[in-house]
Amino acid sequence: KNQVEQSPQSLIILEGKNCTLQCNYTVSPFSNLRWYKQDTGRGPVSLTIMTFSENTKSNGRYTATLDADTKQSSLHITASQLSDSASYICVVSSRDDKIIFGKGTRLHILP
Amino acid sequence: ETGVTQTPRHLVMGMTNKKSLKCEQHLGHNAMYWYKQSAKKPLELMFVYNFKEQTENNSVPSRFSPECPNSSHLFLHLHTLQPEDSALYLCASSRELSYEQYFGPGTRLTVT
Repeated sequence: KNQVEQSPQSLIILEGKNCTLQCNYTVSPFSNLRWYKQDTGRGPVSLTIMTFSENTKSNGRYTATLDADTKQSSLHITASQLSDSASYICVVSSRDDKIIFGKGTRLHILP
Repeated sequence: ETGVTQTPRHLVMGMTNKKSLKCEQHLGHNAMYWYKQSAKKPLELMFVYNFKEQTENNSVPSRFSPECPNSSHLFLHLHTLQPEDSALYLCASSRELSYEQYFGPGTRLTVT
């Protein structure tokens, strides 16, 4: 069964600290993995996209990693800012056009 | 702005009402999607249109009726909804199926 599991469900950190969010998937055949950021009351916005051959991709203070062998991905946020408070959603697509969403990690940045 | 707009942004309707949600994309994309987002649940894919043809209907109740008159516009017609249908309804588009999706801001629907 195609599934995407994210952890933790919720995370609270102080401004300026780093954090890492996890995503494990069982989607097959794998096509790509995306991380989205969703601010409260808004639609998700894409942060990164990774294909099978990519291990690391950065977008400013966001760095995503992908281990296609273990079917795991992480999103690392460096020097967190208050504006990073949001839900982070891992989305995995299969080569037969299935799109599977994780439940997201709710990140709270405290001043 | 993502290039995908949705109207209205907020909607309150009774269970006997009929209303429609509208989505428009200005990106020249060929695929459009409707999602439902309830509290503490992952995004639920409702409908997929590819080149104006519906390609997926994820067991959505018939009280939700999609319409895609052209590749830039997508509607979700609502009638005799239930309180549990209250949620954020998100529209998205992508160049083709499985490509990066661009989401609209959503319509916050409350059914009373």
